Amino acid sequence: AQSVTQLGSHVSVSEGALVLLRCNYSSSVPPYLFWYVQYPNQGLQLLLKYTTGATLVKGINGFEAEFKKSETSFHLTKPSAHMSDAAEYFCADRGSSASKIIFGSGTRLSIRP
Amino acid sequence: NAGVMQNPRHLVRRRGQEARLRCSPMKGHSHVYWYRQLPEEGLKFMVYLQKENIIDESGMPKERFSAEFPKEGPSILRIQQVVRGDSAAYFCASSPNSESGLFFGSGTQLSVL
Repeated sequence: AQSVTQLGSHVSVSEGALVLLRCNYSSSVPPYLFWYVQYPNQGLQLLLKYTTGATLVKGINGFEAEFKKSETSFHLTKPSAHMSDAAEYFCADRGSSASKIIFGSGTRLSIRP
Repeated sequence: NAGVMQNPRHLVRRRGQEARLRCSPMKGHSHVYWYRQLPEEGLKFMVYLQKENIIDESGMPKERFSAEFPKEGPSILRIQQVVRGDSAAYFCASSPNSESGLFFGSGTQLSVL
């Protein structure tokens, strides 16, 4: 069954440090991959997406993600964390089903001053 | 261009009552999705609709839950005879097509007393 796995339910980094949030997908067909961010008491906002073409995708707020087919991964990175990046981050995959997008369980990102 | 509008933001029901959650997609979007989010969990897919059609309801409980997206008006998620376990945040999302990612509303927090 199609699934999205996010390693680490909680990640804490210092302000200015590298942010790395991990995501692996399992769909056997070319995936359409997404990263979303959720701030408290709000809906999800699209950070970036990969459909086809360039495997390094740049998104909003300085985030980027790289699609690696050999590793079935789509990890999210940001070179320098800011306090405003503290939020919940969700990886998602459309995968083999065009009718629904499957979400990972989320990673809560905390930023230490 | 208004985003995805969900109402009410908060809904309190007693056990056995009915809950109706409304979602108006973004202008020009004909795809609507409903997700449920429990505390400390990711989003669970419930149903995917296009105008007047249910495309995929594989995530919907077989009993008490129903959804519609009429030709005119918002999409409605209806929960009959609510139980405490139905308490959750329900998010609606819309999309112009299956490749562009989802645009989320702010959600409806359902509390069942």
